[in-house]
Amino acid sequence: GQQVMQIPQYQHVQEGEDFTTYCNSSTTLSNIQWYKQRPGGHPVFLIQLVKSGEVKKQKRLTFQFGEAKKNSSLHITATQTTDVGTYFCESGGYNKLIFGAGTRLAVHP
Amino acid sequence: DAGITQSPRYKITETGRQVTLMCHQTWSHSYMFWYRQDLGHGLRLIYYSAAADITDKGEVPDGYVVSRSKTENFPLTLESATRSQTSVYFCASSESRVLSSGRRNEQFFGPGTRLTVL
Repeated sequence: GQQVMQIPQYQHVQEGEDFTTYCNSSTTLSNIQWYKQRPGGHPVFLIQLVKSGEVKKQKRLTFQFGEAKKNSSLHITATQTTDVGTYFCESGGYNKLIFGAGTRLAVHP
Repeated sequence: DAGITQSPRYKITETGRQVTLMCHQTWSHSYMFWYRQDLGHGLRLIYYSAAADITDKGEVPDGYVVSRSKTENFPLTLESATRSQTSVYFCASSESRVLSSGRRNEQFFGPGTRLTVL
């Protein structure tokens, strides 16, 4: 079945450093969603990408969907302590929603 | 504006007991979902519902039962709890407006229920 592999599992950065998490699939994805989950919290929707090669920005966050629609990335520029949490990618239709295992980001001041 | 709520927030039960986790949303969203979250597995879909009285299995439905008699409620029942069902359970909801190709509405997640089965 379809799987979405997310790497790295964990990333530890110093405040001000950049951070990137990647999601990869062996099959073409119809869409990809990114969520953030703060420690002890619930997932919160960040963005949706549907077009090949699509790039979207939200302040310091840049989201990209690969040309072949098999991979996606989330890049954070100049991390802050408020960026701490786990970032998940997710894809599929309502009858087959697949989440990546998540990348846990730790930011040290 | 409560949005989406879950109860209880924490539950400890024993193997073999029946447990029901409640989910309530105030947006009249058509779609509702139940996920479990375990370390190393991310979120896995247990069941979802497209509308009242319409439910369907997700990735990991075994050992769980759902119902949806009203649009706003989507309870999840563990008929005979097992230790492997110890997890954090999230309910989510979404509108069902038809959007352009490949696009769908975002999911809104509840605060979660932390369930421990002893």
